[in-house]
Amino acid sequence: DAGVIQSPRHEVTEMGQEVTLRCKPISGHDYLFWYRQTMMRGLELLIYFNNNVPIDDSGMPEDRFSAKMPNASFSTLKIQPSEPRDSAVYFCASSSLKAGGPYEQYFGPGTRLTVT
Amino acid sequence: QQPVQSPQAVILREGEDAVINCSSSKALYSVHWYRQKHGEAPVFLMILLKGGEQKGHDKISASFNEKKQQSSLYLTASQLSYSGTYFCGTANYGGSQGNLIFGKGTKLSVKP
Repeated sequence: DAGVIQSPRHEVTEMGQEVTLRCKPISGHDYLFWYRQTMMRGLELLIYFNNNVPIDDSGMPEDRFSAKMPNASFSTLKIQPSEPRDSAVYFCASSSLKAGGPYEQYFGPGTRLTVT
Repeated sequence: QQPVQSPQAVILREGEDAVINCSSSKALYSVHWYRQKHGEAPVFLMILLKGGEQKGHDKISASFNEKKQQSSLYLTASQLSYSGTYFCGTANYGGSQGNLIFGKGTKLSVKP
């Protein structure tokens, strides 16, 4: 399996521009997570989906952030308008339900976003 | 609610042992350990469930003390490849597949 695929790997944009990050989870996985990682705040869960349905978006910082999962093999995280404080590495992760409890998450390589 | 990891950083010589702790102020259902190398994605190491079990993975093992609401990661006879930042992620209830809260990480450097 190719693992979780994210694009782009690097994004540099100007403040005010719209940014779209993309993720393809591992085939067969029914959970998808979006995380943001910064030095100050560490690894933060933004939102997660189960079977393409958003379950918990309480980590989404504000209305400028939105995420969609139109099908089992694709998800997007959009920031509009972007601000310099959004600069971070954004990870997508996926996992599948196992009987008996929680399971490992497989992370993509991340998208390093820089907003100038 | 973010778990607290200690120490924040540790430097070892090859062959030395290390312990990384993860503590929560809330009752824990499970603790997940990940390692992240510089510029790479976090990689899963192990999950420990409520019940105090200890798990092992090569020379890396972990314990989970439900009463103390903490977990410890033990790295024995460290190798250069162990270098990286170790994160614990905690879940507060069963079936909590998504509400995983990560600590700020412990940076481990293993020197030859």
